[in-house]
Amino acid sequence: NAGVMQNPRHLVRRRGQEARLRCSPMKGHSHVYWYRQLPEEGLKFMVYLQKENIIDESGMPKERFSAEFPKEGPSILRIQQVVRGDSAAYFCASSPNRGDYGYTFGSGTRLTVV
Amino acid sequence: GENVEQHPSTLSVQEGDSAVIKCTYSDSASNYFPWYKQELGKRPQLIIDIRSNVGEKKDQRIAVTLNKTAKHFSLHITETQPEDSAVYFCAARLSNTGNQFYFGTGTSLTVIP
Repeated sequence: NAGVMQNPRHLVRRRGQEARLRCSPMKGHSHVYWYRQLPEEGLKFMVYLQKENIIDESGMPKERFSAEFPKEGPSILRIQQVVRGDSAAYFCASSPNRGDYGYTFGSGTRLTVV
Repeated sequence: GENVEQHPSTLSVQEGDSAVIKCTYSDSASNYFPWYKQELGKRPQLIIDIRSNVGEKKDQRIAVTLNKTAKHFSLHITETQPEDSAVYFCAARLSNTGNQFYFGTGTSLTVIP
């Protein structure tokens, strides 16, 4: 089992560009979560998805951020018109269902906006 | 939502000593409390968890205690080793919402050889 796969590991974008972060959950996991970690801070929940459904996006900024988890393929976190404040580590996690499980996190994507 | 507070933010101990990290939560509906260890530049990794129907759980040198009445839970690491040096995060999950966790702000533990 390859675990939760995220790519790219590092992403550099200029202000105003778009960033696309990908997450493939563990085999058999149908629940995906995105978290953001600012430098020297804890993890903040962004969005919770199941296949083709957004279950909870209460942690997503109202503008420029969107997420999807299509029937086929990885989950995508998309950030439009990036700004310097978007620079952070973005972690994806997955679980087999909505239960009392500790997540398995991916290795993260470190986004740097220059 | 839930508010999780974690203390201390930094902790230094001599190798072989014990380390204790404490967290409090605000919502009595929280029912699951995992702890994660994150080494520099790496992913958070689950090291132990506890459910609300249990007061204590132990796994070798690591233990977690939960006081539901006081709404606090703690991580105890005994016989610390240099490889225990990392940032530790506590988290709480509300039972009546989605499956997201609310994380504490982390404790940077340094074990001095």
